[in-house]
Amino acid sequence: KAGVTQTPRYLIKTRGQQVTLSCSPISGHRSVSWYQQTPGQGLQFLFEYFSETQRNKGNFPGRFSGRQFSNSRSEMNVSTLELGDSALYLCASSQGLAGRIQETQYFGPGTRLLVL
Amino acid sequence: GESVGLHLPTLSVQEGDNSIINCAYSNSASDYFIWYKQESGKGPQFIIDIRSNMDKRQGQRVTVLLNKTVKHLSLQIAATQPGDSAVYFCAETGGATNKLIFGTGTLLAVQP
Repeated sequence: KAGVTQTPRYLIKTRGQQVTLSCSPISGHRSVSWYQQTPGQGLQFLFEYFSETQRNKGNFPGRFSGRQFSNSRSEMNVSTLELGDSALYLCASSQGLAGRIQETQYFGPGTRLLVL
Repeated sequence: GESVGLHLPTLSVQEGDNSIINCAYSNSASDYFIWYKQESGKGPQFIIDIRSNMDKRQGQRVTVLLNKTVKHLSLQIAATQPGDSAVYFCAETGGATNKLIFGTGTLLAVQP
């Protein structure tokens, strides 16, 4: 089975712009979570999508948003980019079996975003 | 390569030795714990997990120990190899959420 894929792998933007990142989960996985990784803050949870609905949300401003499509693929969007948004954005997928919440999450390689 | 932390705790071991990486988790309500390995330029890779109804779980060359009394998790790697060099993160989750809370990470440096 192919793993979690993320596109693009690298991205350079300027302040004020917006960006959309894409994630394709492992085939058959229905839950997709997004995390931000920075040297200063480590790995922080952004949000989780399951069956096209946001199931959980972390403590990030409304500039960070996401969505999930019927094929479980997910996108996250960051509007009005700030310098501090420079980070590695990681997507993780899990099976999303009925009745189970805590499942193993498998991560993609990430998208490295640099905001200038 | 990617930097996952400027001031990560570092564990330096000799090839062939056993490694023990420790983690103090934050939430006493957490009931599912995972260890991830992250190599430079890559996303976290699942190593092993444990649920709160267990205190030990073994995998191939790895063992995870859970002490709920003191909220402590450890990862033991037997016969450490140069390919084990990476940053290791513990993660916890619990309740009605799939949200993972990650520790700060430990850099494991294996000396040949």
